Amino acid sequence: GAVVSQHPSWVICKSGTSVKIECRSLDFQATTMFWYRQFPKQSLMLMATSNEGSKATYEQGVEKDKFLINHASLTLSTLTVTSAHPEDSSFYICSASGREAVSYEQYFGPGTRLTVT
Amino acid sequence: DAKTTQPPSMDCAEGRAANLPCNHSTISGNEYVYWYRQIHSQGPQYIIHGLKNNETNEMASLIITEDRKSSTLILPHATLRDTAVYYCILISSGSARQLTFGSGTQLTVLP
Repeated sequence: GAVVSQHPSWVICKSGTSVKIECRSLDFQATTMFWYRQFPKQSLMLMATSNEGSKATYEQGVEKDKFLINHASLTLSTLTVTSAHPEDSSFYICSASGREAVSYEQYFGPGTRLTVT
Repeated sequence: DAKTTQPPSMDCAEGRAANLPCNHSTISGNEYVYWYRQIHSQGPQYIIHGLKNNETNEMASLIITEDRKSSTLILPHATLRDTAVYYCILISSGSARQLTFGSGTQLTVLP
């Protein structure tokens, strides 16, 4: 149990376009979802935290107008990279935490590789 | 800022036990020690966690010192597929919190 999926697994887009990444909890209700970004040879860096039905909380230095996060249901959160630029190329990973007994555990998705040309 | 300290890299011979240390001298009473690993270009994978007692599952064993200020993850018979970055993370019980990933330990299993 506790499976999280992401779609797409990789995407290439042109500079200036927008890209949407989906994160789904497949077998549990995710009350909280987290979005991380990881550059090559670096650790995961938290971008934002989203609770179902609420606005996301962004980490310092993350532009909320550029990285739009929607957590409209207990099984789906989306991250939209608007007006993407080459420096947004990165590995984006979501994690989800739910209403299970161990509410503080997080389950990670497989990640989405974004390349902006 | 990460609350755990791990060596940046370690090598281990295939078939041997891999012992990965983690220091967490400022751990709080309600914080669990969690271990994740990340194989290249994949999401982090849960390995094991513990509070006070030593734990064992099908993947690994976790040894936590009595004062809880350090722990060791043991992969009893390392294989090439265990090559990954291993993260030791403290997670408080209660509501969900964002995880702070340190640099982790790059474990390379050598043939």
